[in-house]
Amino acid sequence: GESVGLHLPTLSVQEGDNSIINCAYSNSASDYFIWYKQESGKGPQFIIDIRSNMDKRQGQRVTVLLNKTVKHLSLQIAATQPGDSAVYFCAENSQAGTALIFGKGTTLSVSS
Amino acid sequence: DSGVTQTPKHLITATGQRVTLRCSPRSGDLSVYWYQQSLDQGLQFLIQYYNGEERAKGNILERFSAQQFPDLHSELNLSSLELGDSALYFCASSVEGRFSGNTIYFGEGSWLTVV
Repeated sequence: GESVGLHLPTLSVQEGDNSIINCAYSNSASDYFIWYKQESGKGPQFIIDIRSNMDKRQGQRVTVLLNKTVKHLSLQIAATQPGDSAVYFCAENSQAGTALIFGKGTTLSVSS
Repeated sequence: DSGVTQTPKHLITATGQRVTLRCSPRSGDLSVYWYQQSLDQGLQFLIQYYNGEERAKGNILERFSAQQFPDLHSELNLSSLELGDSALYFCASSVEGRFSGNTIYFGEGSWLTVV
């Protein structure tokens, strides 16, 4: 089964709101986590990553938070825009140096 | 444009048939990853090749196989197709064998429909 999962399959927000997308993982050995954005008809695109020696990392309008105690990951998008509408996946590195394991995704819908 | 090229973009075939999906990685990338994306299973890792050799294996069925050629392009072969194999198949590439999120690039996928 999946070792990474998302709490909610869909999230609807208004333009300008802050969005929070959550993810739970079950593999305590995972040490690397990534958020991807997938727009319709396209492949996943890298947003931001975080290693297990950190609990927060910020990018442009995005912040990833990692809580290793409860094995929880979240992606915060500030001032959400219609262009942010997409499916968001969290992924973890299941073995050192090999491929990522993806969660099932959360669909973010931003209305104007 | 990620620089990863996948062909064909769309493919419709009948059950029991065999198809080959092709992937050309970004110039200079040595690793190729194959993923299957279906509505109920999300993105499933199938297999990884690095410089022509199999590096890691995920949930790849025995009916499926892959290879990476000397020019680094890769092919995913799907045989004895079943309706449940209908999915979007992604190829991704990276320079290194060790995975790093900001250095892996996904193609736009090949839509396979089995009827």
